[in-house]
Amino acid sequence: GQQVMQIPQYQHVQEGEDFTTYCNSSTTLSNIQWYKQRPGGHPVFLIQLVKSGEVKKQKRLTFQFGEAKKNSSLHITATQTTDVGTYFCAKYSGGGADGLTFGKGTHLIIQP
Amino acid sequence: DGGITQSPKYLFRKEGQNVTLSCEQNLNHDAMYWYRQDPGQGLRLIYYSQIVNDFQKGDIAEGYSVSREKKESFPLTVTSAQKNPTAFYLCASSAGAGGTDTQYFGPGTRLTVL
Repeated sequence: GQQVMQIPQYQHVQEGEDFTTYCNSSTTLSNIQWYKQRPGGHPVFLIQLVKSGEVKKQKRLTFQFGEAKKNSSLHITATQTTDVGTYFCAKYSGGGADGLTFGKGTHLIIQP
Repeated sequence: DGGITQSPKYLFRKEGQNVTLSCEQNLNHDAMYWYRQDPGQGLRLIYYSQIVNDFQKGDIAEGYSVSREKKESFPLTVTSAQKNPTAFYLCASSAGAGGTDTQYFGPGTRLTVL
């Protein structure tokens, strides 16, 4: 299926700094989902965005869906060591259940 | 772990052997999925099933086969035709077959072919 591009691939931050990962698509998305995978673990669902321009917050995490529904971002304020892991965006192509197409993920590394 | 189990956690096989990975869910979900994860590649869809006795190829189905004889079970066979089978295999399920359903992942099986 069509790819979703995620940047950056790796991000090193000092504990307490902010972090942002971006997800871009060449086509309009019906919705977008975000997952987190801890080292050695499996992806865990974080949130889904559906509406144009939608912003959702989960404590220190802020998720945004672009106005054109072609991009999305995840921002973490004041990172903590528990935020370590890989953050994936994922999309359905729309029009049926053909599984999720995942971005390659952003690996967040936090230095204490 | 959302009621999805995968076994075994680690699996070693010799080149040329077929191997079957188990995936069971007790969430009463209709849809089930198999993904493969390689370093730096994200997750790629191998096969998916929307309902019992039905399944569809994903993006990288070559060298793999599946069955869906029961709602709870979606085993994946890695055949000798798969040229590079060493990877982390993740099974997932979702309640419905629609495009907005959350997927719940199992703990995964790390397959190493020697």
